[in-house]
Amino acid sequence: EADIYQTPRYLVIGTGKKITLECSQTMGHDKMYWYQQDPGMELHLIHYSYGVNSTEKGDLSSESTVSRIRTEHFPLTLESARPSHTSQYLCASNGGRTVDYGYTFGSGTRLTVV
Amino acid sequence: AQKITQTQPGMFVQEKEAVTLDCTYDTSDQSYGLFWYKQPSSGEMIFLIYQGSYDEQNATEGRYSLNFQKARKSANLVISASQLGDSAMYFCAMREGPGGYQKVTFGTGTKLQVIP
Repeated sequence: EADIYQTPRYLVIGTGKKITLECSQTMGHDKMYWYQQDPGMELHLIHYSYGVNSTEKGDLSSESTVSRIRTEHFPLTLESARPSHTSQYLCASNGGRTVDYGYTFGSGTRLTVV
Repeated sequence: AQKITQTQPGMFVQEKEAVTLDCTYDTSDQSYGLFWYKQPSSGEMIFLIYQGSYDEQNATEGRYSLNFQKARKSANLVISASQLGDSAMYFCAMREGPGGYQKVTFGTGTKLQVIP
């Protein structure tokens, strides 16, 4: 049973539409992350949060934005989707002082912008 | 410079045989951690094994073991007795940075295919 949930699992949307990818976790983790991954490629960190009202941009520049109003919820928003945004988006969380025991990942959202 | 290098884009292994997936890393931190994740075709990331930089013994989790050679900065994953369900992408990753504000960097992955 997953402790971190991402919806939708798959999304096909037209250029210019606003979209929000949902991520929720039930583990009470303070740290949450968004990664972008093209098929068969490495993961790139695009956003992270160390707690409520804390958000930071990751190593890969992204036109998306995030918010962290509640501990369990870390949505990612694209104001105007473009074909270049087509990718898989993976949400992850981690609790405790360190990440020594790995991230827990959601199942991902596969986004296609047409 | 790449922090995590996985030089094998693809690997084949016969069912029931052992396989080693290579990973080298680059960091100037004294305290760091190394991970391996499995990603099946369905897309989710599954945590397999962790090795801390100060751990003296190689980590093991069931059929997975991590061959940690600190001086060579390598952290190879060994899968013993391969099964068909092991076919997947495997990512090596490293966390570095001060406690509480660490980030994890992933390698480019190795696609493992287990042959019956």
